[in-house]
Amino acid sequence: GAGVSQSPSNKVTEKGKDVELRCDPISGHTALYWYRQSLGQGLEFLIYFQGNSAPDKSGLPSDRFSAERTGGSVSTLTIQRTQQEDSAVYLCASSLVGAGEQFFGPGTRLTVL
Amino acid sequence: AQSVTQPDIHITVSEGASLELRCNYSYGATPYLFWYVQSPGQGLQLLLKYFSGDTLVQGIKGFEAEFKRSQSSFNLRKPSVHWSDAAEYFCAVLRGAGNMLTFGGGTRLMVKP
Repeated sequence: GAGVSQSPSNKVTEKGKDVELRCDPISGHTALYWYRQSLGQGLEFLIYFQGNSAPDKSGLPSDRFSAERTGGSVSTLTIQRTQQEDSAVYLCASSLVGAGEQFFGPGTRLTVL
Repeated sequence: AQSVTQPDIHITVSEGASLELRCNYSYGATPYLFWYVQSPGQGLQLLLKYFSGDTLVQGIKGFEAEFKRSQSSFNLRKPSVHWSDAAEYFCAVLRGAGNMLTFGGGTRLMVKP
């Protein structure tokens, strides 16, 4: 079956522009996570969605970051007014509730010039 | 706060030699522990996990890990390394009501012919 997919695979943008990153989780997985992987900070949690519950946004680094999940499936991570420090690989993962095992997508590499 | 430490940033081993990657965690309760591998330009792939029970767990690709509560460790081992094992390895612990992963800083493995 299909795994977690993310698009685009690479995104280059100019400082100050807005970007949208997309994640398609594994069908039937109700939990969805966004993580960020950067040289300076390693792998860090950003946001978590579970079904129709309010998302856990505790890992978002600033109010320029937001995410939504439509219909309990596809998720979009939006970064407004991008800064150079936002350059990183953004990873999406999904899991069955309570399973603990998260399946990761290939990531989106974001470069802010 | 929960944390995961991987003391070795880089490790180089010869092909066919044995391997042990170290992982220490700081967590109050019985942790749910994972090892993931990331090949260049790829997402994270789960190697193995520990939830409870037998403290020696077997994973994919010939890897195993042993949970030692007294040492707060979950070291990854492989008896004979193959050149294709060259990658970055991440230890992680599940935390919070949302089951977010907290990752160690990673260990980059290089394999000499």
